[in-house]
Amino acid sequence: DAGITQSPRHKVTETGTPVTLRCHQTENHRYMYWYRQDPGHGLRLIHYSYGVKDTDKGEVSDGYSVSRSKTEDFLLTLESATSSQTSVYFCAISGGDNTDTQYFGPGTRLTVL
Amino acid sequence: SQQGEEDPQALSIQEGENATMNCSYKTSINNLQWYRQNSGRGLVHLILIRSNEREKHSGRLRVTLDTSKKSSSLLITASRAADTASYFCATDSSGSARQLTFGSGTQLTVLP
Repeated sequence: DAGITQSPRHKVTETGTPVTLRCHQTENHRYMYWYRQDPGHGLRLIHYSYGVKDTDKGEVSDGYSVSRSKTEDFLLTLESATSSQTSVYFCAISGGDNTDTQYFGPGTRLTVL
Repeated sequence: SQQGEEDPQALSIQEGENATMNCSYKTSINNLQWYRQNSGRGLVHLILIRSNEREKHSGRLRVTLDTSKKSSSLLITASRAADTASYFCATDSSGSARQLTFGSGTQLTVLP
């Protein structure tokens, strides 16, 4: 899985609580992405990063924030989780000689009760 | 909004048969990619075709691209049970951040 890990892999939380998901890469790739995957919607981009401290919004960014203080780590935070944020979250990276292809982590299954 | 839409949503075939999946998209693109996702796993990149290419092969995979029709097809020849997975097309029409827009996928089941 191209040197990408996500933690935690599974999490159950309650509405209104803050949640932080972590993506860690060992490839030294420049670009990192957070997606959510829901039935019938494929993958939708939440936020992405094009360098340390350089981030931007994706298609479904409302209710989410991100931070990237080091090349290897990209954090996704749900400030106050809602049931609509129950989903599977994937991190992806791209960079090196081929910036077009994205490599995905194993995913985090988040349930908000 | 989704850029790519796969067709069919689900496909069931016998081992050894060929599987064809189609993808349509809406805006001009730099490239189109196909990814596979096994149940409970992350996506794995299969093949990339650039906007100036019409056909590309990789092993048992053949991808075609018709930019005039804004469509692509993925052909898997001589399918195997291990090809059972969801297949997604993804289009890159963005700038420097290499953003991809994914379709909703085709669920392929290959029966032994």
